[in-house]
Amino acid sequence: DQQVKQNSPSLSVQEGRISILNCDYTNSMFDYFLWYKKYPAEGPTFLISISSIKDKNEDGRFTVFLNKSAKHLSLHIVPSQPGDSAVYFCAAREDSNYQLIWGAGTKLIIKP
Amino acid sequence: NAGVTQTPKFQVLKTGQSMTLQCAQDMNHNSMYWYRQDPGMGLRLIYYSASEGTTDKGEVPNGYNVSRLNKREFSLRLESAAPSQTSVYFCASSEGNSEKLFFGSGTQLSVL
Repeated sequence: DQQVKQNSPSLSVQEGRISILNCDYTNSMFDYFLWYKKYPAEGPTFLISISSIKDKNEDGRFTVFLNKSAKHLSLHIVPSQPGDSAVYFCAAREDSNYQLIWGAGTKLIIKP
Repeated sequence: NAGVTQTPKFQVLKTGQSMTLQCAQDMNHNSMYWYRQDPGMGLRLIYYSASEGTTDKGEVPNGYNVSRLNKREFSLRLESAAPSQTSVYFCASSEGNSEKLFFGSGTQLSVL
């Protein structure tokens, strides 16, 4: 039973355009949602997060949107750059539980 | 500026052999984690340590043991390796119960 799902294993986007990565979840008790970025042969690195009391959080080129009624969040990258090519993981957590639940990841490829 | 250091980076074991994966962090974090990542799946928590001297089982603890030697170090031991333990293992740390984790670069383990 996957509580966090990333249905697109890969996504290809032209440099300079917008990249939109999607994530769905089933547990309505999740309080925090996060995006991590992973390059080959490296560990994941934290990118951006959002609390369930918000519907948008922005950090530079990265914006995360949360739609609680649809149990859906998305990460927008504008404009996309070659260095953004990586695997992006969505993760979620309840406030009372230290355990992060992770999606399977989406491989983003930025084409020059 | 080491962050989280894992050793070894690669290891091949025969079924039934034992080994210990080492992890150390220099960020003075209280919490440390061991995850495994398998193809097509998100990261899954093996064990968690909230502070020196305490450990808790995560989602997939069977076949593993851990030791929180001190605040810096958190080791993962496979007593009798099985092919199902072939995976990439990541150690991580965080400040308290923060959802922002800092990861090591991983250990690629193959059990033949």
